[in-house]
Amino acid sequence: NAGVTQTPKFQVLKTGQSMTLQCAQDMNHNSMYWYRQDPGMGLRLIYYSASEGTTDKGEVPNGYNVSRLNKREFSLRLESAAPSQTSVYFCASSELWTEGETQYFGPGTRLLVL
Amino acid sequence: AQSVSQHNHHVILSEAASLELGCNYSYGGTVNLFWYVQYPGQHLQLLLKYFSGDPLVKGIKGFEAEFIKSKFSFNLRKPSVQWSDTAEYFCAVNAAGSARQLTFGSGTQLTVLP
Repeated sequence: NAGVTQTPKFQVLKTGQSMTLQCAQDMNHNSMYWYRQDPGMGLRLIYYSASEGTTDKGEVPNGYNVSRLNKREFSLRLESAAPSQTSVYFCASSELWTEGETQYFGPGTRLLVL
Repeated sequence: AQSVSQHNHHVILSEAASLELGCNYSYGGTVNLFWYVQYPGQHLQLLLKYFSGDPLVKGIKGFEAEFIKSKFSFNLRKPSVQWSDTAEYFCAVNAAGSARQLTFGSGTQLTVLP
C-alpha cells in the first residue's frame, strides 16, 4: 500500500514549456486535490476532484489544468510554465468529499521554472 | 471565507522544553480543525484533528491541542519535545457543513536543539 505517489520528484522547466504532474492513490479514495506550497504561505489549493468525473477550481487555479483520469489518478498540467509557478506541488486524497475528512498527502514535486 | 494565522514563524527549543504553537482562525461558524506536520524531506502527515466534543484533542507522538472557541484558537502543545520533533507544523481549518477544502496557515518551523 503505497498511499499517494507523485511523479516526477523534481523538474526544471524553461518559461513557456509545458508539463504534466502525475498523482496516483491506491487507497480507493473518492476525492483528490492538488496544492502548491510556497515559503511563508502554507498550502494553497489549486484544483480538486470531489469524485471521479468531476473537477473544480480551488484558491489559485490560474495557469493550471487538471484531469481526473480515473478513480486512482489525478494529473495537473502546466500549459505554459511561468517563473511564478516555481513551487512544491502536493497531491492529496481523502475517502470522501465531506467535512473534516482527513487528507493524505503525497511526497511532493519540486518544480523550478527558469 | 475562513483564514488561519500562525504567528510563530520559527520556534527554537532545547530538548525537553515544553512546546506551544499558536493557531487562530477567522470564521463565524462551526469549524473542523487540524494540525499537520511535515518532517524534513517528507510529506505532510496528520497529527490530530478536532470535529466536535472534548475540546482537548490528543494526537500522535504525544501532541495535543485545545480548541478554545471564544478565542478562535487551536494551539498545539507538547510537554517535552525531542530532537526528532524538528519539522514544520501547519494548522488547517475547514468550515463544518460546507465540504469545502482545507485552509492552511503559513506554517511554523520548529527546530529542537539536542
